Amino acid sequence: RKEVEQDPGPFNVPEGATVAFNCTYSNSASQSFFWYRQDCRKEPKLLMSVYSSGNEDGRFTAQLNRASQYISLLIRDSKLSDSATYLCVVRTPTPLVFGKGTRLSVIA
Amino acid sequence: DAMVIQNPRYQVTQFGKPVTLSCSQTLNHNVMYWYQQKSSQAPKLLFHYYDKDFNNEADTPDNFQSRRPNTSFCFLDIRSPGLGDAAMYLCATSRDPRRGAYEQYFGPGTRLTVT
Repeated sequence: RKEVEQDPGPFNVPEGATVAFNCTYSNSASQSFFWYRQDCRKEPKLLMSVYSSGNEDGRFTAQLNRASQYISLLIRDSKLSDSATYLCVVRTPTPLVFGKGTRLSVIA
Repeated sequence: DAMVIQNPRYQVTQFGKPVTLSCSQTLNHNVMYWYQQKSSQAPKLLFHYYDKDFNNEADTPDNFQSRRPNTSFCFLDIRSPGLGDAAMYLCATSRDPRRGAYEQYFGPGTRLTVT
């Protein structure tokens, strides 16, 4: 089983739609959780950290379920500029482990 | 602005010809990382430094070496590049993740082509 698994997509959604991504991780000792965004041929950039209580940043909401070992990202009111690959990232006792990413295309 | 800088942004080398990629940071982070990312794949950690303490991933080929002469700079040396080493190489920094949930900051990457 891979350490961090994501649905690769692509998710093709119209502008204004709500879209949700899920991610599962295998190491129950994982300690920190993040969502990164990566545009085509660019470096990953931190979108948001994920806290046990869940957290929201504008149109983005992240949730963590430690019992089921999954993390989610919800994007409301999708914009064209949200088109990117979203990487689920988990820190086990070793440095960060990246999922392969979920590709999102927001269509006008 | 504090940042992570990588040079060059694009590097073309010949099969078997040694190449060095460089990374510098103005964030004063004590941890630096090198990742390899191929198309449609997750970034793969090659090695990282906690200060001068070098940590090699078990599956990183011997062909890949690294140097960190000081806090600000880190180098990736590929001794004999093969066609399979063509990829984006990403440098990242962070504060010590053993002491908190610190995110990593990435440089823009160096895209390596091997001919």
